[in-house]
Amino acid sequence: AQKITQTQPGMFVQEKEAVTLDCTYDTSDPSYGLFWYKQPSSGEMIFLIYQGSYDQQNATEGRYSLNFQKARKSANLVISASQLGDSAMYFCAMREGNAGGTSYGKLTFGQGTILTVHP
Amino acid sequence: DTEVTQTPKHLVMGMTNKKSLKCEQHMGHRAMYWYKQKAKKPPELMFVYSYEKLSINESVPSRFSPECPNSSLLNLHLHALQPEDSALYLCASSQDYRGEETQYFGPGTRLLVL
Repeated sequence: AQKITQTQPGMFVQEKEAVTLDCTYDTSDPSYGLFWYKQPSSGEMIFLIYQGSYDQQNATEGRYSLNFQKARKSANLVISASQLGDSAMYFCAMREGNAGGTSYGKLTFGQGTILTVHP
Repeated sequence: DTEVTQTPKHLVMGMTNKKSLKCEQHMGHRAMYWYKQKAKKPPELMFVYSYEKLSINESVPSRFSPECPNSSLLNLHLHALQPEDSALYLCASSQDYRGEETQYFGPGTRLLVL
């Protein structure tokens, strides 16, 4: 079964508008971390935001916020006031924290969403 | 400072060549990683070093040979590669090899095997 699912292969947004990129995850581990990365066409994987499974509040970093709904196992990325430079591939990823599990510490990525920002 | 550097940025090699990819971080991180990424796909984990020891080898062919000379450096030695090994190779590091630690990536090396 897919541990991380990103159902939107591509998304389009107008400059200055907000956009939500979807991510759902699957784990039975009570301890895990959720990450979003941005990968422009240059190739570098840029860390955007982190949410821990025990965090009570949604994470925010500047124009990025993570809409964490634990019961639904979703961790959607919200980008406010989109800019042309936001055009890139976005990956949702998860690391499981159970030291006894075979997936411990490994970063599992979703398939990614290509975001295009129109002027 | 969350910088991971990788050299070279681009590499073209023949199937009989031997080359090396280099990765460096000065954040005091004790875990370092090699990933392989094909176009429009997520990165795939290859190797993990934790405290300079190889912790994970994801069944990578022996034509890829990792090396961690010290806590700041990670190398990937390449020998007798195949055209299907052409990809973006990403290095990453994290404070430690634990679930909550963020991995920071370098800019990658684009490898073309002819």
